Amino acid sequence: EVQLVESGGGLVQPGRSLRLSCAASGFTFDDYAMHWVRQAPGKGLEWVSGISWDGGRVGYVDSVKGRFTISRDNAKNSLYLQMNSLRPEDTALYYCVKDGAEEAGSEAGWFDPWGQGTLVTVSS
Amino acid sequence: EIVLAQSPGTLSLSPGERATLSCRASQGGSSGYLAWYQQKPGQAPRLLIYGASSRSPGIPDRFSGSGSGTDYTLTISRLEPEDFAVYYCQQYGSSPVFGQGTKVEIK
Repeated sequence: EVQLVESGGGLVQPGRSLRLSCAASGFTFDDYAMHWVRQAPGKGLEWVSGISWDGGRVGYVDSVKGRFTISRDNAKNSLYLQMNSLRPEDTALYYCVKDGAEEAGSEAGWFDPWGQGTLVTVSS
Repeated sequence: EIVLAQSPGTLSLSPGERATLSCRASQGGSSGYLAWYQQKPGQAPRLLIYGASSRSPGIPDRFSGSGSGTDYTLTISRLEPEDFAVYYCQQYGSSPVFGQGTKVEIK
């Protein structure tokens, strides 16, 4: 069974940094692209960032470019999101999600499955 | 940037009724690259449909997706009590983007 367990969320002041982690199990981690998707309280879903299976390609939503950095450690089956210069509008539940590709090394673009999320609150 | 508009915002129906949810893209560049998710309160989203019409493994066949170009539809043929939830569409192919969601509530 695929499991994605996020950690690292918490309360942080505006302008500070936070690093989220996602521990993956139940599948061959280094075969698949991975993503972060967030959901502000009571709001909809927003894709934040994605990374290819080997880390060679990354992408970000415009609102986090230059502030957030996605990375992965395939030896540790882990995905990360380094978040700098945090803003109140970054407050959200951050989900770690696996790309839905059926073949190793390919990318589908849809998300399956999802972790349970880690809450980031940016407030003074 | 592609914008996805879902309608209606809220759908009030009774168990056993048919639900029809719409998702319209502002541009048609990623035709067929459309997924649907279900989210229940306090839970992570669950993939229902990908490629506009392919059901994810384990999803009941009362859920079906259709459409192409800029217009897509999720249909739930007969609502079960566990189907009352929020549904999101998502376009992929370039930078992923979600619609704002449709809430299916019990009438």
